[in-house]
Amino acid sequence: AQTVTQSQPEMSVQEAETVTLSCTYDTSESDYYLFWYKQPPSRQMILVIRQEAYKQQNATENRFSVNFQKAAKSFSLKISDSQLGDAAMYFCAYRSLRTDKLIFGTGTRLQVFP
Amino acid sequence: NAGVTQTPKFQVLKTGQSMTLQCAQDMNHEYMSWYRQDPGMGLRLIHYSVGAGITDQGEVPNGYNVSRSTTEDFPLRLLSAAPSQTSVYFCASSTPYEQYFGPGTRLTVT
Repeated sequence: AQTVTQSQPEMSVQEAETVTLSCTYDTSESDYYLFWYKQPPSRQMILVIRQEAYKQQNATENRFSVNFQKAAKSFSLKISDSQLGDAAMYFCAYRSLRTDKLIFGTGTRLQVFP
Repeated sequence: NAGVTQTPKFQVLKTGQSMTLQCAQDMNHEYMSWYRQDPGMGLRLIHYSVGAGITDQGEVPNGYNVSRSTTEDFPLRLLSAAPSQTSVYFCASSTPYEQYFGPGTRLTVT
């Protein structure tokens, strides 16, 4: 069975600085998707970024980028030029293309200080 | 286009009561799923469906039933509520590339 591990329960960053959130996963599959979701206090789940496992190039979305290391089964999220609105819970998730199941990590709470 | 809707937003049940959490989507997605979110546990998959008439168990299915009679609707039933089912419940509708989550239902079982 696949597992997703986020080893940082909490992180903090100063406004305008850069922060990296860690995620590792375990799978025997070769094709899958990886996601980072943001959950603000409103509880809504918001897709931040997606990475297809077959793509070697790391995904980027504006200030958000990932470092995808397939062999190491690592998928970290880098937030550049952090803003107060980035404060939220961040969840890493793995989607099996064989079963369609989406498995989440336990989340990292990010605080942003002015 | 409403996306994924869930009702109710909040619910308080007594132990042993039954209820159904409703979920509907208007995007014609085949794949739908239910998650529960507990503090420190992330989102855990309860049940999922890959199309009308097809459902399967996720990580934490005990105490919950589902059915999928139409593409649009995927209700989650609690037959006999227990305090351990106090949680926030999310329904999601998916393509392979993205999951669309409902706003969640906060359920308290006393």
